Amino acid sequence: EDKVVQSPLSLVVHEGDTVTLNCSYEVTNFRSLLWYKQEKKAPTFLFMLTSSGIEKKSGRLSSILDKKELFSILNITATQTGDSAVYLCAVEGNNRKLIWGLGTSLAVNP
Amino acid sequence: DGGITQSPKYLFRKEGQNVTLSCEQNLNHDAMYWYRQDPGQGLRLIYYSQIVNDFQKGDIAEGYSVSREKKESFPLTVTSAQKNPTAFYLCASTSVGQGNTGELFFGEGSRLTVL
Repeated sequence: EDKVVQSPLSLVVHEGDTVTLNCSYEVTNFRSLLWYKQEKKAPTFLFMLTSSGIEKKSGRLSSILDKKELFSILNITATQTGDSAVYLCAVEGNNRKLIWGLGTSLAVNP
Repeated sequence: DGGITQSPKYLFRKEGQNVTLSCEQNLNHDAMYWYRQDPGQGLRLIYYSQIVNDFQKGDIAEGYSVSREKKESFPLTVTSAQKNPTAFYLCASTSVGQGNTGELFFGEGSRLTVL
């Protein structure tokens, strides 16, 4: 059965800390891995990864994929209170279906 | 501005009643999706449609129905057959290409509470 596992499930840090969120997967016919940020309602897209070892970067956020070990990490440097959110990982497999992880709830305290 | 709009944002219904959630997009996307989000569970796919007048069941379609008569619109009906309908419902859309599914655009969600 296809599955996506995110860790940790929740995390509390102080402003300025660096965090690393993990997403491991077992999905048939992997096509892509996506990261989303969900603050209150609508998830917003962060990154799509298809190739191993190529870092995607946007400001203080970066992500990389390891297709051999079947995982991805999302790094956030110099965290701010506005980074507080649930971070969702999804993997696209057969028939373009997305398999979603449970998410990591990040709280950044001032 | 382009986007995806869900309505209503909050909805209360009595047991035994059907309710329809609206989802409209002006992004010219071919594919549209309905997800259900419950605490402690990942997003679960209810139905999806990749083209007008065609849709497929997702992982938890029982008790739900959809239609796709127009490209812009993908309404979801929660029927009385759905045993546990209280949840947060998210609609999403994306363009369909030859490669990956790509970036999903989500609506703000509809929170349904059954009394």
